[in-house]
Amino acid sequence: GESVGLHLPTLSVQEGDNSIINCAYSNSASDYFIWYKQESGKGPQFIIDIRSNMDKRQGQRVTVLLNKTVKHLSLQIAATQPGDSAVYFCAERLEGQNFVFGPGTRLSVLP
Amino acid sequence: SAVISQKPSRDICQRGTSLTIQCQVDSQVTMMFWYRQQPGQSLTLIATANQGSEATYESGFVIDKFPISRPNLTFSTLTVSNMSPEDSSIYLCSAGETENYGYTFGSGTRLTVV
Repeated sequence: GESVGLHLPTLSVQEGDNSIINCAYSNSASDYFIWYKQESGKGPQFIIDIRSNMDKRQGQRVTVLLNKTVKHLSLQIAATQPGDSAVYFCAERLEGQNFVFGPGTRLSVLP
Repeated sequence: SAVISQKPSRDICQRGTSLTIQCQVDSQVTMMFWYRQQPGQSLTLIATANQGSEATYESGFVIDKFPISRPNLTFSTLTVSNMSPEDSSIYLCSAGETENYGYTFGSGTRLTVV
């Protein structure tokens, strides 16, 4: 299918390695953050979220880290698989406001 | 989470015409949104579709260009009016129950204006 994000920054990792995708968010008052995965030809899919009162949250093979001091969010994917190849977006939200999406990073998993 | 069906999945349209995109959710949801995703870019919110009242548009988007309907809690439409090639993009519907959790997205409508 048609691919979005043709000009996005790309992270290439070997299959089986760990991936770290970074996001700098804009508003120090944002209180809720989400990572989305968007595969080619599909809409964004929720992966994991974290609230501002936490600095780490773990899911299945994924971990999100939040550093409010430097307004930085990261997504760690353990044992990266070919199915993890996609564009990843972070989104931030200030209470009462709509989500704002980051620019996105394309993850390419090499065999 | 809700399942969203969006149609058409893609279309090629002549400039000056209009296209209406439909978004159907399999359960009643409080909030529905319309986003645009231009090639190589992130998602930009067009508007919040309000049930029974006029949509709330973000800066840079106007009702005359992007009229939105939301007749009930499971359905919404977005019309792209008087299209030009600059309107070529992916249009995404999103829905959620509360603002305290992530939203679900449809698969998008890939619009090409020629």
